[in-house]
Amino acid sequence: GAVVSQHPSRVICKSGTSVKIECRSLDFQATTMFWYRQFPKQSLMLMATSNEGSKATYEQGVEKDKFLINHASLTLSTLTVTSAHPEDSSFYICSATRQGIYEQYFGPGTRLTVT
Amino acid sequence: SQKIEQNSEALNIQEGKTATLTCNYTNYSPAYLQWYRQDPGRGPVFLLLIRENEKEKRKERLKVTFDTTLKQSLFHITASQPADSATYLCALGRSSASKIIFGSGTRLSIRP
Repeated sequence: GAVVSQHPSRVICKSGTSVKIECRSLDFQATTMFWYRQFPKQSLMLMATSNEGSKATYEQGVEKDKFLINHASLTLSTLTVTSAHPEDSSFYICSATRQGIYEQYFGPGTRLTVT
Repeated sequence: SQKIEQNSEALNIQEGKTATLTCNYTNYSPAYLQWYRQDPGRGPVFLLLIRENEKEKRKERLKVTFDTTLKQSLFHITASQPADSATYLCALGRSSASKIIFGSGTRLSIRP
């Protein structure tokens, strides 16, 4: 149990376009979802915390107008990278938690390459 | 500001030995500490959680200790195997719905 999926697993887009990444909890209801980005050989950097039906809470330095997060249901959160630029190229990972449970269940990640 | 350090960026040990990874933190009072495993190109996988009032936790070949006075956790893998080769991340948190803060990770390599 506690499986989280992400789609797509890899995406290549042109500079200036927008990309949407989906994160789904497949067999549980996720009260909270988190979005991270990870550069090569570095740790996970939290971008934002998302609760179903409310606005996401962004970490300092993360542009909320550039990284749009929607958490429309207890099983789905989306991250849209708007007007992507090459510096946005990274590995984006989501995670989900269940109410009262401490561990986070991570998705397999999405490799974004902006050309 | 809060800081989490995993002292070794990389650790290489012989198969069968015990691997010991260290996680130190400053300017933070966690309610719990977690350890995750991450393979290249994949998301982290939860391994163990230890709460602030616990000294030690075990799960099969894994053992975690937590010393809130030293602000340190040790993660041990006994009878290590090449399949244990991965990056191991420690993470600190305060409540079940709150964000957790990750350390930089230790890349563990077990040679046959």
